[in-house]
Amino acid sequence: QKEVEQNSGPLSVPEGAIASLNCTYSDRVSQSFFWYRQYSGKSPELIMSIYSNGDKEDGRFTAQLNKASQYVSLLIRDSQPSDSATYLCAVVGAGGTSYGKLTFGQGTILTVHP
Amino acid sequence: KAGVTQTPRYLIKTRGQQVTLSCSPISGHRSVSWYQQTPGQGLQFLFEYFSETQRNKGNFPGRFSGRQFSNSRSEMNVSTLELGDSALYLCASSQGLAGVGYTGELFFGEGSRLTVL
Repeated sequence: QKEVEQNSGPLSVPEGAIASLNCTYSDRVSQSFFWYRQYSGKSPELIMSIYSNGDKEDGRFTAQLNKASQYVSLLIRDSQPSDSATYLCAVVGAGGTSYGKLTFGQGTILTVHP
Repeated sequence: KAGVTQTPRYLIKTRGQQVTLSCSPISGHRSVSWYQQTPGQGLQFLFEYFSETQRNKGNFPGRFSGRQFSNSRSEMNVSTLELGDSALYLCASSQGLAGVGYTGELFFGEGSRLTVL
């Protein structure tokens, strides 16, 4: 089982719709979770961090965390063509050999079409 | 303030050669991590350095090595290059380590794109 798994997509949504990106992780004791966005030809940049169960909202972005289910998601409301990018889920390991390592999922390619 | 700087940006090598990549972190950041990014494997963790010490290492062969200097600048080296080493190598800096003021926010450089022929 991969440490961090994402649906690779691609995910295509119309402009104005809600894009839903999902991620599961294997380290049951992980406490820190992140979403990075990577535009084509560019480096990843942090867009959201979440540490507690529940929802965290930042503008059009909402991160959701369920530690019991080992599940993290990112919702993008009112999707815009400028949101078209690869979204990377990242988890900081908290146990064993994964301690302190920031592990990324494969990424989900999102395309928002006008 | 200046971001993470990586050099060189592009390089072409042949099998069997070795390569050294350089990374200058954001001023004040003491942690430097290296990642390999390929279309098939995504972002794979190579290693992390903090205060000149390797603190974490990924599952890469010993041909991949790195070091960090007292000014926090870091280098990574790949010896005996193989075709499969062709990738984008990303360096990222952060303020601390897990448990030592670490927020998980990494600031990435533009990367060094290595092509092995």
